[in-house]
Amino acid sequence: DGGITQSPKYLFRKEGQNVTLSCEQNLNHDAMYWYRQDPGQGLRLIYYSQIVNDFQKGDIAEGYSVSREKKESFPLTVTSAQKNPTAFYLCASSIWANSGNTIYFGEGSWLTVV
Amino acid sequence: AQRVTQPEKLLSVFKGAPVELKCNYSYSGSPELFWYVQYSRQRLQLLLRHISRESIKGFTADLNKGETSFHLKKPFAQEEDSAMYYCALSPQGNKLVFGAGTILRVKS
Repeated sequence: DGGITQSPKYLFRKEGQNVTLSCEQNLNHDAMYWYRQDPGQGLRLIYYSQIVNDFQKGDIAEGYSVSREKKESFPLTVTSAQKNPTAFYLCASSIWANSGNTIYFGEGSWLTVV
Repeated sequence: AQRVTQPEKLLSVFKGAPVELKCNYSYSGSPELFWYVQYSRQRLQLLLRHISRESIKGFTADLNKGETSFHLKKPFAQEEDSAMYYCALSPQGNKLVFGAGTILRVKS
């Protein structure tokens, strides 16, 4: 079954702890993205990567980190520095990062900080 | 700055009625605009893009550069159209800028 797989679907974290969200794709896409979805605010871009071993900050990168060691994987770490981490996180990918290419989304991960 | 505005959080219509989901954008260059849809328990997916000028599931959207709008329209709403709809702008590369979204509720 091809597509984008995010795990875990639900995650609880204590304040002060880092947590890593997994994103894997088998679509052979070059570009991958992480978005955060909050009620009433739409989706906001956290980080994106156009090729392996390269990534760029999006609009709300503070308190997050990523890596892109493999083409198919783009994990997101939510650090303790992120002030308001409770949210729904969406991973996405596209063929390449040129304008107009369809972006495909994963099913998302719910993170709750307790 | 690039911005996408969807003024309605919720749009409720009766089955068979026309639908118009509003989207306005601010961008100084030539925009590429999209509508994404998220049905209940499904992942967010592309509905249509302005460069294709196509109709998907009966929906159309016309880019109006003078009014900086990209409203989504359908002449006769169906219950299966109930979903969250996001308008998005691609200012450079594929870094989409999304609006806040509009929930469309089609009542029988």
